[in-house]
Amino acid sequence: KAGVTQTPRYLIKTRGQQVTLSCSPISGHRSVSWYQQTPGQGLQFLFEYFSETQRNKGNFPGRFSGRQFSNSRSEMNVSTLELGDSALYLCASSGGVDNQAKNIQYFGAGTRLSVL
Amino acid sequence: QQQVKQSPQSLIVQKGGISIINCAYENTAFDYFPWYQQFPGKGPALLIAIRPDVSEKKEGRFTISFNKSAKQFSLHIMDSQPGDSATYFCAASSGYGGSQGNLIFGKGTKLSVKP
Repeated sequence: KAGVTQTPRYLIKTRGQQVTLSCSPISGHRSVSWYQQTPGQGLQFLFEYFSETQRNKGNFPGRFSGRQFSNSRSEMNVSTLELGDSALYLCASSGGVDNQAKNIQYFGAGTRLSVL
Repeated sequence: QQQVKQSPQSLIVQKGGISIINCAYENTAFDYFPWYQQFPGKGPALLIAIRPDVSEKKEGRFTISFNKSAKQFSLHIMDSQPGDSATYFCAASSGYGGSQGNLIFGKGTKLSVKP
């Protein structure tokens, strides 16, 4: 079974631009979560989508948004980029069949975003 | 407000020794406590997880100890190996809305196991 795939792996943008990151979950998984990882703040939860609906949201400004498609693939968008948005953005999917498996989040390798 | 506090920030252990990483949480609604391992250039990978109705869980060389009254949990790595050198994150979630997809992570512990 293929793992969680995130594209692109690396991105360089300038302040004020916007960016879209993509995540393809493990086949059959319906939940996709996004996290931001920085050296200073660590791993922070952005939002979670389940069956095309946002189920949970972290404490990030409205510049950060996401969506999920009917095939469970997800995108996140950051508008009006700031220098502080430079980070590794991680996507995780979950949704195994049994109660234990459905809690396990499988992470992709992330998209490294640099804002200049 | 940091909801999950992790210590130490870094840890150096000799091969064969025991590595111990501690976490404390504040939100009593948390009901799922996983530990993740991350190698450079990779995403975090689940090591082991526990629910608050159990005080200890062991999988191979990895053990979680959980103290509900103290709101603390810890990861023990027995017989630590150089291949265990990685960053370890504790996390917690509350299952709100039927989801465990909103993990709150500790800041991480960088473990180095010396040969």
